[in-house]
Amino acid sequence: EAGVAQSPRYKIIEKRQSVAFWCNPISGHATLYWYQQILGQGPKLLIQFQNNGVVDDSQLPKDRFSAERLKGVDSTLKIQPAKLEDSAVYLCASSNAKDNYGYTFGSGTRLTVV
Amino acid sequence: DQQVKQNSPSLSVQEGRISILNCDYTNSMFDYFLWYKKYPAEGPTFLISISSIKDKNEDGRFTVFLNKSAKHLSLHIVPSQPGDSAVYFCAASSFGDDKIIFGKGTRLHILP
Repeated sequence: EAGVAQSPRYKIIEKRQSVAFWCNPISGHATLYWYQQILGQGPKLLIQFQNNGVVDDSQLPKDRFSAERLKGVDSTLKIQPAKLEDSAVYLCASSNAKDNYGYTFGSGTRLTVV
Repeated sequence: DQQVKQNSPSLSVQEGRISILNCDYTNSMFDYFLWYKKYPAEGPTFLISISSIKDKNEDGRFTVFLNKSAKHLSLHIVPSQPGDSAVYFCAASSFGDDKIIFGKGTRLHILP
């Protein structure tokens, strides 16, 4: 089966600019997650979708971050305006159920804010 | 407050020897534990998991041990191979909650 697709792979923007990331999960996976991984740290959950509904966005900085999953398939994560501390790898993952394999992650988008 | 802790940022092991990666957790509600492996420029990939009803799970060269009383788990890789050089994340979740909480990771270097 095809994996979790993310684009772009890399993005460099200036602070206060806006940026958007796209994720296409594995076909049929109802649950989609966005994680932020800052260098030297483990992935931190930003938001979890179940189909097109938000299950958990408690860790999402809602003053600047937003995410949507229209039609319960693809998802976009937006940052507006970006800050220097947003520099990180943004990982998208999907799962069908809590099985022995946890999530399947995409390759991530590396964001550098200068 | 870190619920999953990997206190060793890096570890170097000779090829052919055993690699032991350690992980501690603080949340007693965690009942499912996973190890992920991450190469540079790739997303983490699932490696092995263990349920809290077990104390050991083995898959080829990889074995995970769980000590619930100590809230500690470890990943053993034997024998270690050059392709095992990567960052290893310990992760945990609790029944009824799909969220997986990750540790900071341990970078494993396999030396020739």
